Amino acid sequence: TAGITQAPTSQILAAGRSMTLRCTQDMRHNAMYWYRQDLGLGLRLIHYSNTAGTTGKGEVPDGYSVSRANTDDFPLTLASAVPSQTSVYFCASSADRAGTGELFFGEGSRLTVL
Amino acid sequence: AQKITQTQPGMFVQEKEAVTLDCTYDTSDQSYGLFWYKQPSSGEMIFLIYQGSYDEQNATEGRYSLNFQKARKSANLVISASQLGDSAMYFCAMREGPGYSGGGADGLTFGKGTHLIIQP
Repeated sequence: TAGITQAPTSQILAAGRSMTLRCTQDMRHNAMYWYRQDLGLGLRLIHYSNTAGTTGKGEVPDGYSVSRANTDDFPLTLASAVPSQTSVYFCASSADRAGTGELFFGEGSRLTVL
Repeated sequence: AQKITQTQPGMFVQEKEAVTLDCTYDTSDQSYGLFWYKQPSSGEMIFLIYQGSYDEQNATEGRYSLNFQKARKSANLVISASQLGDSAMYFCAMREGPGYSGGGADGLTFGKGTHLIIQP
C-alpha cells in the first residue's frame, strides 16, 4: 500500500532557484496538507486543500504556493528559494466524512537551500 | 498563545518504567480531537492514539493511553512498560471542529514535541 508518496526524498538547492516538491496519494482523500518541520518548532502548516480545486493558507505560507488540479496530487512550489526554507517537508492527507481527522503522512522531503 | 504546549523538550527514562508525556491545549471549540504521533529517528510520522472531546473514556491503544482531563485542558500520553524502541520524538496535536470536515480547514496543530530517550 503506497499511501502518500513524496519526491524528492532530499534535495540541495541554490538560493534563488525554484523547486517543486511532489506529493501523490492513492487513498482518495479529499483533504491534503503541507507541513514543514524545524528543530524546536514542531510541524507548522504551510498550505492545505480541502478538496480538488481549492487551496488555503496555513500558518507559514509566505514563499510557497500549491495547486490541487485533482484529488491525488498536491505539489508544493518554492518560486525563489531562500536559506530559511531549509527544512523537512511533510505532505499529509485525511479522510472526510469518517473518523477522527487523523493525518496520514508521507515520508518527508529534506530540502537544503544554500 | 500556543494552541498546543508540550513542556518537556527531552526526557530520559529507564527501560520498563512507565512514561508520561505532557500536553496541554487551548481551544474555545466544544468539538475537537487530540492526537499523539511518534517520530522515530528514521523520520516517519506514526499515529499512536486519538481522543475526541466528547469521549468519556480515556483512549487506549496497547501500551499507549491518553490521560484526558478536559477541565484542565490536558491530554497526556502514558506509555506503560517502556521499551528501547519507544525512543523517539513525540508530538501532541489538536484538530479543532468536528472530524467529519476532513480534519478541518486548518488540519492539525502540533506542539513542539518531546524527545524521549529510553535507557537500558
